[in-house]
Amino acid sequence: KAGVTQTPRYLIKTRGQQVTLSCSPISGHRSVSWYQQTPGQGLQFLFEYFSETQRNKGNFPGRFSGRQFSNSRSEMNVSTLELGDSALYLCASSRRDRGIYEQYFGPGTRLTVT
Amino acid sequence: AQSVTQLDSQVPVFEEAPVELRCNYSSSVSVYLFWYVQYPNQGLQLLLKYLSGSTLVKGINGFEAEFNKSQTSFHLRKPSVHISDTAEYFCAVETSYDKVIFGPGTSLSVIP
Repeated sequence: KAGVTQTPRYLIKTRGQQVTLSCSPISGHRSVSWYQQTPGQGLQFLFEYFSETQRNKGNFPGRFSGRQFSNSRSEMNVSTLELGDSALYLCASSRRDRGIYEQYFGPGTRLTVT
Repeated sequence: AQSVTQLDSQVPVFEEAPVELRCNYSSSVSVYLFWYVQYPNQGLQLLLKYLSGSTLVKGINGFEAEFNKSQTSFHLRKPSVHISDTAEYFCAVETSYDKVIFGPGTSLSVIP
């Protein structure tokens, strides 16, 4: 089965702009989580969506937002970009029910803010 | 608040030698525990997980980990490493709804 897809893989933006990243989960997975990875802060949880509802949120400013569509695809948006937003953004799709636990990460989107 | 500590930021080890990567966590509630591996310029891959049951968990690529509740530890071990095991390893805990807290990572370097 196809893996988690993230688009685009690489992105260069300037300060003040906004950006939208996309994540397509594995078929049958209804939960999508987003993470930011930087050399200084490591891996940090952004938010998690399940059936179009945000169930959990990390400690990031309101400039970071997300949504999930009825087909479980998810997008995250960062407005008014800052240099510190340069990072690898990872999404993960997961499924847990009837004793099954599956989680897979996508390859990430590398965002560079100049 | 939950936190994860990985005591060693870098671990060099010779090929075919055993390795242990240490992980300790703090949490006042029950947690799920995970180890992930990240190869250069790639996303994360789940190595193994502890949800409940047996405290010794076996994962992919010959790795295993032992959950020790009294010591709040979840150390990762492999009896004989290979060059291809060179990567960054992350320990993580989850307390609710896929909110995963990651440790800072341990860089494993396998020396031929």
